[in-house]
Amino acid sequence: AQTVTQSQPEMSVQEAETVTLSCTYDTSESDYYLFWYKQPPSRQMILVIRQEAYKQQNATENRFSVNFQKAAKSFSLKISDSQLGDAAMYFCAYRSGATSGSRLTFGEGTQLTVNP
Amino acid sequence: DTAVSQTPKYLVTQMGNDKSIKCEQNLGHDTMYWYKQDSKKFLKIMFSYNNKELIINETVPNRFSPKSPDKAHLNLHINSLELGDSAVYFCASSQVGGYAEAFFGQGTRLTVV
Repeated sequence: AQTVTQSQPEMSVQEAETVTLSCTYDTSESDYYLFWYKQPPSRQMILVIRQEAYKQQNATENRFSVNFQKAAKSFSLKISDSQLGDAAMYFCAYRSGATSGSRLTFGEGTQLTVNP
Repeated sequence: DTAVSQTPKYLVTQMGNDKSIKCEQNLGHDTMYWYKQDSKKFLKIMFSYNNKELIINETVPNRFSPKSPDKAHLNLHINSLELGDSAVYFCASSQVGGYAEAFFGQGTRLTVV
């Protein structure tokens, strides 16, 4: 079974600075997808960024980028120019490419605080 | 126009009661899910349906029964509620395919007293 580990329960960053959230995963599959979801206090789960395992190029969405290291099974999220609205719980998630309708397996989450 | 909507948002009930949570998606997705988020914010899959057919059934007590009347709806019925069932329950939907984004409802906070 696949597992996802986020080793930082809490992180904080100053507004306008950069922060990196860590995520590692364990799988024997070669076809899979990785995601970062954000959960602000409103409870809504929002997709931040996603990565296909067969793509070497790291995904980027505006201020959000990932560092995908397939051999190390690492998928960290970098937030640049942090804003107060980035404060949230961030979840790393894995999805197998093998099965139709397969589940997302989530990490434990990292609570990000943005200080003004 | 909400993509994935679930009702109610909050549910407080006594132990032993039976309750249902409803979920509807207007995205035309074939796959719908129920996830449970516990008090430590850990999210775990409970069920997945593809075109009204159950395809994932995690180790969940059989007091929990999902029902999908059509591919746009996935309801969760819980019998004989226990204190440990208190959690936030999320409905989600996605297209088929691993890269597809899963869209989540706003969650239902269930409190069993």
